[in-house]
Amino acid sequence: EAGVTQFPSHSVIEKGQTVTLRCDPISGHDNLYWYRRVMGKEIKFLLHFVKESKQDESGMPNNRFLAERTGGTYSTLKVQPAELEDSGVYFCASSQDPGQGSGYGYTFGSGTRLTVV
Amino acid sequence: GDSVTQMEGPVTLSEEAFLTINCTYTATGYPSLFWYVQYPGEGLQLLLKATKADDKGSNKGFEATYRKETTSFHLEKGSVQVSDSAVYFCALGPYGGATNKLIFGTGTLLAVQP
Repeated sequence: EAGVTQFPSHSVIEKGQTVTLRCDPISGHDNLYWYRRVMGKEIKFLLHFVKESKQDESGMPNNRFLAERTGGTYSTLKVQPAELEDSGVYFCASSQDPGQGSGYGYTFGSGTRLTVV
Repeated sequence: GDSVTQMEGPVTLSEEAFLTINCTYTATGYPSLFWYVQYPGEGLQLLLKATKADDKGSNKGFEATYRKETTSFHLEKGSVQVSDSAVYFCALGPYGGATNKLIFGTGTLLAVQP
């Protein structure tokens, strides 16, 4: 089966511009997650969709970040306007069934490396 | 809150050396524990997991034992190869509630030299 696909793989934008990251989960996976790794630091949870609904968005850093998952398929993460501290690698993951201890059911994408200059 | 602490890298080893990457955690409940690996240019991959105390996860020659008494989940391999060069992340997983987020450590870069 196809894995989790993210694009672009790299993006370099200027401070103040807008960037939209896309994630295509594995077909049939209702759960979709966004994570971010700022340079050298831990990977941090951003939010969790169940189908098109936001189950948990407690990790979203501020209102410059907007995540959507219209129709419960692919998801977009928009940063507007981008700031220097938004630079990092954005990972998407999907899983079929949440359940307890379902972390091992995650499949991660390769990530999008965002550089804000 | 819950957290994961893992040893800072980079860790540089010669081929066939023994590897240990330390990981300790803080959790109010009884989480599952994981090691993920990111090879250059690739996404995060699950390396191994343990779901309860004293469980040992193993895969590709790597092992880690869930030690509740020391709140640790150290990653070990008896003989590393150049192909093991990657970033390794320790993580604790969801337990109870509706949130399924993983909590990761900062990652440890392993460089294995021939």
